[in-house]
Amino acid sequence: DGGITQSPKYLFRKEGQNVTLSCEQNLNHDAMYWYRQDPGQGLRLIYYSQIVNDFQKGDIAEGYSVSREKKESFPLTVTSAQKNPTAFYLCASSARGNYGYTFGSGTRLTVV
Amino acid sequence: KNQVEQSPQSLIILEGKNCTLQCNYTVSPFSNLRWYKQDTGRGPVSLTIMTFSENTKSNGRYTATLDADTKQSSLHITASQLSDSASYICVVRGSDNNDMRFGAGTRLTVKP
Repeated sequence: DGGITQSPKYLFRKEGQNVTLSCEQNLNHDAMYWYRQDPGQGLRLIYYSQIVNDFQKGDIAEGYSVSREKKESFPLTVTSAQKNPTAFYLCASSARGNYGYTFGSGTRLTVV
Repeated sequence: KNQVEQSPQSLIILEGKNCTLQCNYTVSPFSNLRWYKQDTGRGPVSLTIMTFSENTKSNGRYTATLDADTKQSSLHITASQLSDSASYICVVRGSDNNDMRFGAGTRLTVKP
């Protein structure tokens, strides 16, 4: 089945640690996105990538980093510089053109 | 100020009743508007998509309307079921797929 897979579903981070969230898709989509979801707010764009080896900052990129070495994969690293990382993180992908997103099931990150 | 405002924030209805969710937006330029359903702890799933020229779009018991002049959209749910309990998110596409603006969502609870 084609889809987009995020792992892990739950992640706990200690203060000062970097953690990496995985996002893999087998839809052959060119574009991939990372969003952050907080209660009472709309999704906010962290980073996006339209092609391999290229990515762009979104609205809230500070404290995050990404890579796009393969078309299928777009991992997100939450660095220690992100002061309030506790949130629900959603990865999405889309085909070229005016198509909607396919979302993953999300990763809930909690700082302990 | 968020460019996509949804109301109400939350809604509780009895099973079998109808309800209407609202979305007002100021995003410009406007390409299309989508409604997504998001179950708790899951990624959003697309329900409908409407372009500038479309006024109504149905998907089973879900009917979305769009008034591009007043920049308003609504999602009407008919004969609600317990499985309709979820957050419903309005998403407006601006100039391209990297310019998606998300509403904060309406949390719908359907009670037996």
